[in-house]
Amino acid sequence: AQTVTQSQPEMSVQEAETVTLSCTYDTSESDYYLFWYKQPPSRQMILVIRQEAYKQQNATENRFSVNFQKAAKSFSLKISDSQLGDAAMYFCAYSALNNDMRFGAGTRLTVKP
Amino acid sequence: AAGVIQSPRHLIKEKRETATLKCYPIPRHDTVYWYQQGPGQDPQFLISFYEKMQSDKGSIPDRFSAQQFSDYHSELNMSSLELGDSALYFCASSLGNGENGYTFGSGTRLTVV
Repeated sequence: AQTVTQSQPEMSVQEAETVTLSCTYDTSESDYYLFWYKQPPSRQMILVIRQEAYKQQNATENRFSVNFQKAAKSFSLKISDSQLGDAAMYFCAYSALNNDMRFGAGTRLTVKP
Repeated sequence: AAGVIQSPRHLIKEKRETATLKCYPIPRHDTVYWYQQGPGQDPQFLISFYEKMQSDKGSIPDRFSAQQFSDYHSELNMSSLELGDSALYFCASSLGNGENGYTFGSGTRLTVV
């Protein structure tokens, strides 16, 4: 069974600063995908960034980047230059080939002006 | 660009009634997933379909059933509704095994009274 753990129920960051959200997962698979999804108050689930387990290079999407440590089964999300619009619930998710996506419990990010 | 369309957006039903939720995936996406998100919880996988065949099953109650039709739209049928079924129901779609992530619809908020 695969499990995704987000140990930070809530995080807070000052506008324009940097914040890192933690995620660990457990799997016996060697090939899989990891994702971060953002869920703002509108409840829409929005894909922020994805990482393929077989790629050593950390994924980057504008102000969002990940620190993927495969051996440690860690997949943290770094948000640089935080903006008010980044305030949301962030879910870490795992998906192995031909299997459904499983989510962590989420981290609620607050951005202070 | 076309997104995943879910209907209705909101639904209020009484206990023991039946509800049908509809999902129209992104054109050319061949896989549909259903998730249930209770208040303050992460999305829980219910069931998925690939090319109109059930591909995976999660924590879906026996009172629920789903199918994917020839035009790839999917319906989630929920019978003998209980108060605990009140939740946000997401549909997502992907091409193939979802290695590029899932695209989620806006969800159907079901309230059972």
